[in-house]
Amino acid sequence: QVQLVESGGGVVQPGRSLRLSCAASGFTFSNYGMHWVRQAPGKGLEWVSVIWYDGNNNHYADSVKGRFTISRDNSKNTLSLQMNSLRAEDTAVYYCARDGRITGTTGELDYWGQGTLVTVSS
Amino acid sequence: DIQMTQSPSSLSASVGDRVTITCRASQSISSYLNWYQQKPGKAPKLLIYAASSLQSGVPSRFSGSGSGTDFTLTISSLQPEDFATYYCQQTYSTPPVTFGGGTKVEIK
Repeated sequence: QVQLVESGGGVVQPGRSLRLSCAASGFTFSNYGMHWVRQAPGKGLEWVSVIWYDGNNNHYADSVKGRFTISRDNSKNTLSLQMNSLRAEDTAVYYCARDGRITGTTGELDYWGQGTLVTVSS
Repeated sequence: DIQMTQSPSSLSASVGDRVTITCRASQSISSYLNWYQQKPGKAPKLLIYAASSLQSGVPSRFSGSGSGTDFTLTISSLQPEDFATYYCQQTYSTPPVTFGGGTKVEIK
C-alpha cells in the first residue's frame, strides 16, 4: 500500500535552516509528481511546492519562494524540502502528498503522509 | 491567484442529517475542484475529485456537484465518523494550488 513518511521536523530559531524528508513506498515513486502542503496550528491548508515526477521542474508558493527548495531522489524514493531563512510564520505541520495523476502535477492529492511539525521560535 | 471561499465556516448537525457545504471560486474553474476531509491530528483525505467523482473507497453518502464558480459537497446522511473539517481545492490554475478556508462539521 502507498506510504509516505515525513521526518526532519523540530524546533528551530528564526533565520536558521531545516531539511524535511519524505520516504515513499508502495508505488512507483518516479512516476508521480510530489507536493508539500503545510498547516499552521489551528489554521487551514496551504500549498507550498510541487516537483515534477522526473525532477525537471518545480514551483513554489510566493510565501516560500527563494527560501525553500524542493528536490527528489528517485533512486531512493525520497522527497525533500530544504527550508532556509525560516520565519515564525513558517511554523506548521508539513505534509508531503502524491499527485493523483501519473506523470502529472494536477494538484489533486490522493495520498498524504502523517506530517511533521516545524516550530520556528527563539 | 484564484481565491476559494467556503461557507459556512462551521456547522452543527446531528447523525442522520443531510449536510451541504458550499465553495465558491473567484473565477471560473470549470470542474477542477476537489474536496478533502480532515480529522483532528490526521492528514487530509481526498473525497471528491473533478467536482463530482468519488475517490475510491469513499462512502457513497458523499457527493459533489457544480461547475464554473459554485460547488457543493453533500453528505446525504451524516455518520459519527463524518465529523471533521472539509476543504475545497482548485486545480484549474496552478501553481499555486489553492484551498478554501475549511468547514468544520460538529455534533449538535
